[in-house]
Amino acid sequence: AQSVTQLDSQVPVFEEAPVELRCNYSSSVSVYLFWYVQYPNQGLQLLLKYLSGSTLVKGINGFEAEFNKSQTTFHLRKPSVHISDTAEYFCAVSAPSGGYNKLIFGAGTRLAVHP
Amino acid sequence: GAGVSQSPRYKVAKRGQDVALRCDPISGHVSLFWYQQALGQGPEFLTYFQNEAQLDKSGLPSDRFFAERPEGSVSTLKIQRTQQEDSAVYLCASSPQTRTGVVGYTFGSGTRLTVV
Repeated sequence: AQSVTQLDSQVPVFEEAPVELRCNYSSSVSVYLFWYVQYPNQGLQLLLKYLSGSTLVKGINGFEAEFNKSQTTFHLRKPSVHISDTAEYFCAVSAPSGGYNKLIFGAGTRLAVHP
Repeated sequence: GAGVSQSPRYKVAKRGQDVALRCDPISGHVSLFWYQQALGQGPEFLTYFQNEAQLDKSGLPSDRFFAERPEGSVSTLKIQRTQQEDSAVYLCASSPQTRTGVVGYTFGSGTRLTVV
């Protein structure tokens, strides 16, 4: 079985500062890893995903994440945040099962960017 | 349509009432998922359809929850005899393939259900 732990429920940060949102996962098989963003009263939007290959994955809005298999982490980073990045961020893991994949989400990290 | 459409956006139900939540996936998408997102939590898997076949309903919390997708397009999630613990946002997602890890899901904006 797969599981995801997001270590921080809230991360406050000042505008233009760097940020890292942490994600630990556990799985006994090879997995795909994802980061989604959720703005208030909206659905989930895909930021980036790791399927295979390079462990550094670049996504939309200047975000990137690094897959670390030995430490089972997939932390999300951005070198300089904007007010508009204020949102809830979800790390998710997916593994093939019965011919399809379903996503297992972490509890989320609320990023609050202050001026 | 251009995206996944869910209706209603908000639903207030009295405890014991039955509700039906609708999901219109992107046209032609084979895979359809329902997730439940409680306040302050991440989405949790409820059920999966591949076309009209419900291949996985392991996440449905009780027999009061029922989902269908009779023609392989629109799906309805029905909750009978609603209880307060059913209050959550219900998210629908669709994908053009079964191996959704390759292409990814498109999520709808969700239906916020409040049981009073």
